[in-house]
Amino acid sequence: AQSVTQPDIHITVSEGASLELRCNYSYGATPYLFWYVQSPGQGLQLLLKYFSGDTLVQGIKGFEAEFKRSQSSFNLRKPSVHWSDAAEYFCAVGAADSWGKFQFGAGTQVVVTP
Amino acid sequence: DVKVTQSSRYLVKRTGEKVFLECVQDMDHENMFWYRQDPGLGLRLIYFSYDVKMKEKGDIPEGYSVSREKKERFSLILESASTNQTSMYLCASRKRLAGRETQYFGPGTRLLVL
Repeated sequence: AQSVTQPDIHITVSEGASLELRCNYSYGATPYLFWYVQSPGQGLQLLLKYFSGDTLVQGIKGFEAEFKRSQSSFNLRKPSVHWSDAAEYFCAVGAADSWGKFQFGAGTQVVVTP
Repeated sequence: DVKVTQSSRYLVKRTGEKVFLECVQDMDHENMFWYRQDPGLGLRLIYFSYDVKMKEKGDIPEGYSVSREKKERFSLILESASTNQTSMYLCASRKRLAGRETQYFGPGTRLLVL
C-alpha cells in the first residue's frame, strides 16, 4: 500500500530565506509524486509532479523538487520565499492505474515572517 | 480552463440532518473523488467514482454515501450528520487512463455540524 510521510507539521521561515519541505513515501513500484499548495480557505493547487526522467523537477511559483529513489524522498525547495508562500503544502503519491487514487501526507504549514 | 466547483463554501447543519454536498466538473473526467481534510491528518479519501453510477469506498466511508447519476456531478451524502463529521470536504476529478495526470480540486466546503 502507498503511504506518505511529511515529518514537519509546521515550519517558520523568514522572507527571503530558503525553504525545504520534506516528503518520504512508500510505494511498491515507481511512484507518481506530486506537491500541492493550499492557501487559506482554498482548494489544492498543483505545484509540480514527477513521473520519470530527470529527478529534479521544476514547478510553478519558483518551486522545485528532487526525487531520490534511494531515500524514498521527494523534497520540495524554494531558494527565496515570499510572504505569499505562506500556506499549507501537501505531498501525494499516485497509483499508476486507471483509478488514479492518491495518498496524501498530513501536510506542512509554512509561516513566513518579515 | 479546468474547473471543479462545489455547491457551498460554508455549511452549518444540525446533528441528525441529511446533508448533500455537490461537486461538478466541466472537463469530461471519468474519475471523481471525495476527500475530507482535518488538521494533522491531511486528505483522506471517502469515496470515489470511476464512471456514472459506479462507486468505490475509499479509506473512511463510514457515515457517508455518494451518488453519480451524471458524469459531471458527484454528490456526497451524510445520511445523519454527526459532530465528528465537521470538516473540510474537497472534491477532485481526473481523467481515467491518464496515469500521469494530476487530480483537479474544487475550492472545498467547510461543514460545521452542531
